[in-house]
Amino acid sequence: AQSVTQLGSHVSVSEGALVLLRCNYSSSVPPYLFWYVQYPNQGLQLLLKYTTGATLVKGINGFEAEFKKSETSFHLTKPSAHMSDAAEYFCAVSEEAAGNKLTFGGGTRVLVKP
Amino acid sequence: KAGVTQTPRYLIKTRGQQVTLSCSPISGHRSVSWYQQTPGQGLQFLFEYFSETQRNKGNFPGRFSGRQFSNSRSEMNVSTLELGDSALYLCASRSGLAGADTQYFGPGTRLTVL
Repeated sequence: AQSVTQLGSHVSVSEGALVLLRCNYSSSVPPYLFWYVQYPNQGLQLLLKYTTGATLVKGINGFEAEFKKSETSFHLTKPSAHMSDAAEYFCAVSEEAAGNKLTFGGGTRVLVKP
Repeated sequence: KAGVTQTPRYLIKTRGQQVTLSCSPISGHRSVSWYQQTPGQGLQFLFEYFSETQRNKGNFPGRFSGRQFSNSRSEMNVSTLELGDSALYLCASRSGLAGADTQYFGPGTRLTVL
């Protein structure tokens, strides 16, 4: 069964500093990969996704992620954190063998310090 | 286009009762999925419906059921509520069933079981 691991349930960064959120997956074949963000009392909003093609994917709000097949990773980065980036971030995978449902990592809560 | 809507946003029930949650997908989307989010278990897939047929099901007891109507709106029912059913229930819609299709989430229904 596919699984997703997000290293670090909480991350604290200073405003203007690099944001790096780690995501590793286990899958026998490269799955489709997604990053979602959840603000308090809201649903999930798609940041970006990798399906095929270019392994560096750019998303909304200045975020990007790189798919590395050899490392089974899909880490999310943003060069300069903003206060509005404080939220919880979820990595998810979708695989045909699992019926293309989303399997989520445990989430990483980001705190941005002024 | 209007986003995914869920009603009600908040519910308080007591153990043993049953509850029905509703989800209206984005116009034109024929797939609706349901997820449960809890602090302990994270985000877990419940089931997915497409064209009024259940296409995929997660590992939840039979107390959790759903259905989809001809207009793609979906309902989820939980019978004989338990304390552990307290959670945020998220609905997501997408246009098709392909793994690359983005799932768009609603704001969720917060269920509290007393």
